[in-house]
Amino acid sequence: GAVVSQHPSWVICKSGTSVKIECRSLDFQATTMFWYRQFPKQSLMLMATSNEGSKATYEQGVEKDKFLINHASLTLSTLTVTSAHPEDSSFYICSAMGSTEAFFGQGTRLTVV
Amino acid sequence: DAKTTQPTSMDCAEGRAANLPCNHSTISGNEYVYWYRQIHSQGPQYIIHGLKNNETNEMASLIITEDRKSSTLILPHATLRDTAVYYCIVRVAAANNLFFGTGTRLTVIP
Repeated sequence: GAVVSQHPSWVICKSGTSVKIECRSLDFQATTMFWYRQFPKQSLMLMATSNEGSKATYEQGVEKDKFLINHASLTLSTLTVTSAHPEDSSFYICSAMGSTEAFFGQGTRLTVV
Repeated sequence: DAKTTQPTSMDCAEGRAANLPCNHSTISGNEYVYWYRQIHSQGPQYIIHGLKNNETNEMASLIITEDRKSSTLILPHATLRDTAVYYCIVRVAAANNLFFGTGTRLTVIP
């Protein structure tokens, strides 16, 4: 099946710094990718939809200036958490649509200290 | 709005069939039933999907009731590696978004 690769798998950063997470579709082109956030023992929550060549669409309550999304090519979307705070610590997951189903990256565990 | 209802947790003995139910009483005619699972600290993994006919693949079988208001995912011979949270999702095939409910935490017991 199709593969979506996410990098890094985990990252620890200091409060106030920015962190970039990459999501790549390895064997197919994805005009749309999705970013989710998952807190411990909770389900995945859709944060935003990343559109190649245009602005991302954010879900209600998600700060677009804090979670910067760039989808510069058909195989790469990036999520930058700016001015990170401890409450941003979470598991971030990206996905891309195949022909009939979504494929997910392995997730990135962000810890802000 | 996840539009599905699943039991919070289930246990299954290793080697036995695991039957995971899902209620989707408000499903629309053009909405498919999708199943994904998430093993701890990993991204979700696609399992199977169907519209109205029963479906089977190398991972599982999907049984959809005739009125399409509920379905059951069947893992025919559960192994310890099948321990995960299983999500039942309904969506229009052409739609991109996936909205996850709370899922069922399946624990396979040795």
